[in-house]
Amino acid sequence: EAGVVQSPRYKIIEKKQPVAFWCNPISGHNTLYWYLQNLGQGPELLIRYENEEAVDDSQLPKDRFSAERLKGVDSTLKIQPAELGDSAVYLCASSNGAQGEQFFGPGTRLTVL
Amino acid sequence: DQQVKQNSPSLSVQEGRISILNCDYTNSMFDYFLWYKKYPAEGPTFLISISSIKDKNEDGRFTVFLNKSAKHLSLHIVPSQPGDSAVYFCAASAFDGQNFVFGPGTRLSVLP
Repeated sequence: EAGVVQSPRYKIIEKKQPVAFWCNPISGHNTLYWYLQNLGQGPELLIRYENEEAVDDSQLPKDRFSAERLKGVDSTLKIQPAELGDSAVYLCASSNGAQGEQFFGPGTRLTVL
Repeated sequence: DQQVKQNSPSLSVQEGRISILNCDYTNSMFDYFLWYKKYPAEGPTFLISISSIKDKNEDGRFTVFLNKSAKHLSLHIVPSQPGDSAVYFCAASAFDGQNFVFGPGTRLSVLP
């Protein structure tokens, strides 16, 4: 069974540029999460989807961040414009909705210069 | 305000010995806890969980203990192996087991 797929794995951009990350969850997983992980910290939730509905986006900085999961499968997270402080690893995770474990992708490491 | 704390940023243990990783939480509504392991350049992988109705859960070499009154949990690895060297995250959830708050992680080094 394929795991959570994320692309790109690495991205380097200049500040004020836009950037997008893509995630394909495990087949059949209705719940999808986007996390931000800063160096030396644990993952912090940005947004959680149940199918195509964003059920928790309270931590998403909506002035510059947006996300979509149009058909309830894969998802895109966008930052526009990027700031220096956005440099971090962006993790996607999925689960089957039951209480418990989330399956994480390898993450996208973003560097904003 | 960190709701989940892992006060030891790093821990070194000799191979074959016990590793004990600690986690403290402040939110008394947390009732479900997970431990994740993370290798460099990979996403976290699930290790073991515990519900607040239990005080211990065991899976092979890994045992998690929960002390609700102290708002403290610990992960024991016995015996420790070099392949256990990784960053370990504690995560906690309230009510729904869907949204988890993660601690900052503890880097475990198991020395041969």
